[in-house]
Amino acid sequence: QQQVRQSPQSLTVWEGETAILNCSYEDSTFDYFPWYHQFPGESPALLIAIRPVSNKKEDGRFTIFFNKREKKFSLHIADSQPGDSATYFCAASGGGSAKLIFGEGTKLTVSS
Amino acid sequence: GPKVLQIPSHQIIDMGQMVTLNCDPVSNHLYFYWYKQILGQQMEFLVNFYNGKVMEKSKLFKDQFSVERPDGSYFTLKIQPTALEDSAVYFCASSWGGQDTQYFGPGTRLLVL
Repeated sequence: QQQVRQSPQSLTVWEGETAILNCSYEDSTFDYFPWYHQFPGESPALLIAIRPVSNKKEDGRFTIFFNKREKKFSLHIADSQPGDSATYFCAASGGGSAKLIFGEGTKLTVSS
Repeated sequence: GPKVLQIPSHQIIDMGQMVTLNCDPVSNHLYFYWYKQILGQQMEFLVNFYNGKVMEKSKLFKDQFSVERPDGSYFTLKIQPTALEDSAVYFCASSWGGQDTQYFGPGTRLLVL
């Protein structure tokens, strides 16, 4: 089934902490897993993405951990900053399809 | 980064009227998409378009919806006639290849009264 589940719905962390956002999927043909962030009133912007040839992808403070066996992937935001406060969407695509299936979103608030 | 433009940013129309949403994709991109986002929810795929044809569409892409990109101009989403449940933000996206990064526009906020 082509669904992507995301948790938690909302998350509050203190500045400097690591925020962890989780996603899971069911369709084993998915082979591309991006994370987008969206600030209020703005368009979603790609943050980081992974393909299952590896189980970890880092870009600065942002890291994706991927577990193919459990069909789960997570976004870790290290040293969270107030400017990271936004809604984060995980997504997946694959199986020859170009469409992105989005998770429900996590509203992240970083308090200082 | 690459910019996708959308016109208009907001549109208010009466139920039953026709509306056309316009998207100016990234210049060398070949794949075009429309997604629908109802307030507070995730984006949902509507349709993608390549080489002048609809490649995939979801069940949200009702018979009242159509897309086209005449002669490399705007990629458009037309809804005729509109219904109350069409009220949402519509995001256009484009990518160079079908499996490449999709870049999103700022969205058109459509309100059907």
